[in-house]
Amino acid sequence: DIVLTQSPATLSLSPGERATLSCRASQSISSYLAWYQQKPGQAPRLLIYGASNRATGIPARFSGSGSGTDFTLTISSLEPEDFAVYYCQQRSHWPPWTFGQGTKVEI
Amino acid sequence: EVQLVESGGGLIQPGGSLRLSCAASGLTVSSNYMSWVRQAPGKGLEWVSAVHSGGSTYYADSVKGRFTISGDNSKNTLFLQMDSLRAEDTAVYYCARDFPYYSDSSGRPPLLRTDYWGQGTLVTVSS
Repeated sequence: DIVLTQSPATLSLSPGERATLSCRASQSISSYLAWYQQKPGQAPRLLIYGASNRATGIPARFSGSGSGTDFTLTISSLEPEDFAVYYCQQRSHWPPWTFGQGTKVEI
Repeated sequence: EVQLVESGGGLIQPGGSLRLSCAASGLTVSSNYMSWVRQAPGKGLEWVSAVHSGGSTYYADSVKGRFTISGDNSKNTLFLQMDSLRAEDTAVYYCARDFPYYSDSSGRPPLLRTDYWGQGTLVTVSS
C-alpha cells in the first residue's frame, strides 16, 4: 500500500502568517492527492483534490501543489478559523485510499 | 442539500457484530460512490470500505473478511455490517460520498473526491 508521510507533525504559527504543510508519498501517485481540514468534534472537510483543485467554497488562501511523490498545502495568510488538523489522502484509481497521519496547525 | 446521518454505533464486546447505517438525503445512495472512513480516539483518519455505483466493493486489509458494505435502495441508506469486532475497531465511523470528477476511456475507475461527510457514529469494542 502507498504510505503518506506528513510533516511537520505540528506547526505553530500566528494569524496572518503563511503555513506550508508537506505530504510525501512512498511511490508516485501522479496528481492523485486530496487535502482535508478537520476541527475537533467535526467531520473532515475537503479542501483540495487532484493535488491543486480547490473544492467548492474553499477560500483562495488555500492552495495545493505537487505531483509524483511530493505535495504541499499552503495557507497564504492564516485566519483564526484555520487552526485545525490537516490530512492528505492519496486518491489513485483504486483503493486502498490511504491517509497521512496529519499535521496540526496551532496558534 | 445533501445530508448523511450515521447511526448504529455503541458499545459492543469483542467478537460481536454491529450494523452501522447512513441515511442519505439530497442524493441517491445506489447511484453514487460511497465510502466509510473511521477515526480511532485521538488518532488519524483510516479509509475502511467503499462501494461504487456499479456495485463493486472495496475493503481495507484490516477489515477484509469481517466487514461488509451494502446499500438499501428503498431506504436510500448505506450500511456497514461489522462482524468479529476487535478492540482496534474502536473508532468514530463516518460515511461519505465520493464524487467522480474525472474519467476516461481506459477502463479504470474514475478519480474521486470525497465532498460530503456525515457527522459520525462512535463504535466502542470493549469487554
